[in-house]
Amino acid sequence: QKEVEQNSGPLSVPEGAIASLNCTYSDRGSQSFFWYRQYSGKSPELIMSIYSNGDKEDGRFTAQLNKASQYVSLLIRDSQPSDSATYLCAVNPTSGTYKYIFGTGTRLKVLA
Amino acid sequence: GAVVSQHPSRVICKSGTSVKIECRSLDFQATTMFWYRQFPKQSLMLMATSNEGSKATYEQGVEKDKFLINHASLTLSTLTVTSAHPEDSSFYICSALGLEKTQYFGPGTRLLVL
Repeated sequence: QKEVEQNSGPLSVPEGAIASLNCTYSDRGSQSFFWYRQYSGKSPELIMSIYSNGDKEDGRFTAQLNKASQYVSLLIRDSQPSDSATYLCAVNPTSGTYKYIFGTGTRLKVLA
Repeated sequence: GAVVSQHPSRVICKSGTSVKIECRSLDFQATTMFWYRQFPKQSLMLMATSNEGSKATYEQGVEKDKFLINHASLTLSTLTVTSAHPEDSSFYICSALGLEKTQYFGPGTRLLVL
């Protein structure tokens, strides 16, 4: 069964620090990967997508992908209390249906 | 860009009634939309895949006669919860497949069945 694994947390970081969120996946042939942020009581919001090995930066966010290790991560620089949310890692598997496999999410708490 | 809306945002209904939830892609066309359900403090659960012009594909364990899905246009999919019961109370979220096959989520519909 195809899986995506995340540490559920909570991950607590002080304001201004770098938050590092990690995700591993089992479907070796997966080609596209996504990070979503979900505030309590709200729906998921796309933060970043990544398709190639290496780093992709967008503002304070950097996604990192290592297909050989089947590992994707999200770094949040200069963390703010408003970043406190659950971060969902999603993988588009090789089935071709675009039915993403979601991790259970990592709860991030940024302490003021 | 890539905005998805849902209506209503919140609905309260009596047990035994039916409720229709609309999901619209506002600035792009979506041949594929997805319907999820999420209970408090739990993960997203995919219910079904909605394809424009064809029958929806339901995940295992999801009753297709209870959760009716219609994807009649490239911008609209509807989910009807028929004969709703209190255990159907949940947060229903749709997503639409947009550019680069990325799922964009609607804001969700909170359903409470009394």
